[in-house]
Amino acid sequence: QVQLVESGGGVVQPGRSLRLSCATSGFTFTSYGLHWVRQAPGKGLEWLTLISFDGSQKYYADSVKGRFTISRDNSKKTVYLQMNSLRPEDTAVYYCAKDQETVVIRGLIDYWGQGTLVTVSS
Amino acid sequence: DIQMTQSPSSLSASVGDRVTITCRASQGINSCLVWYQQKPGRAPKLLLYGASILEGGVPSRFSGSGSGTDYTLTIGGLQPEDFATYYCQQYYTTPRQLTFGGGTKVEIK
Repeated sequence: QVQLVESGGGVVQPGRSLRLSCATSGFTFTSYGLHWVRQAPGKGLEWLTLISFDGSQKYYADSVKGRFTISRDNSKKTVYLQMNSLRPEDTAVYYCAKDQETVVIRGLIDYWGQGTLVTVSS
Repeated sequence: DIQMTQSPSSLSASVGDRVTITCRASQGINSCLVWYQQKPGRAPKLLLYGASILEGGVPSRFSGSGSGTDYTLTIGGLQPEDFATYYCQQYYTTPRQLTFGGGTKVEIK
């Protein structure tokens, strides 16, 4: 079955960096785009970024553009989120998620990881 | 950018009730709309896409409709396991932007 498992969350001071990882299994990793979505405590969902199946296309929400970088390692079936210059308002559960469509990015998420909590605080 | 507005933000209902949640886009999204269900401490779950297409394994009491800017999620006969928060999301502006609605919490009356 499809599985996405995030790791790398924790407590970090404002201005510092953190890298999240998302290990996947149960689907043909090299055929699908992948997303990161976050949810601040008690708040709604916020889409952050996506990467195409081959890593050639990357898109970002304005709120993280220039600070966050998505990447993928197809040999490890893992997607990453490098987060720099972290702010208290970046505190959230971060989910990685799989796009429904093969090759073409549809923007429709059919599987989610369980999430990893990032807390930005001094 | 497209904004998604859900209403109501919360509602109380009883088991067996018919529940309707509305999602309005700030511009037409050509039925490029998804509905997710999220329970506390859990990841969201895909319910419907294309505004009205039921994801496999989702009970048929869930249905979606709408066009243009206005969409609805209907739960026909609320079950105890349906108490959760529901989110809409547009994918019309894929891949440049994906936008979620603010969520609707369905609580037990």
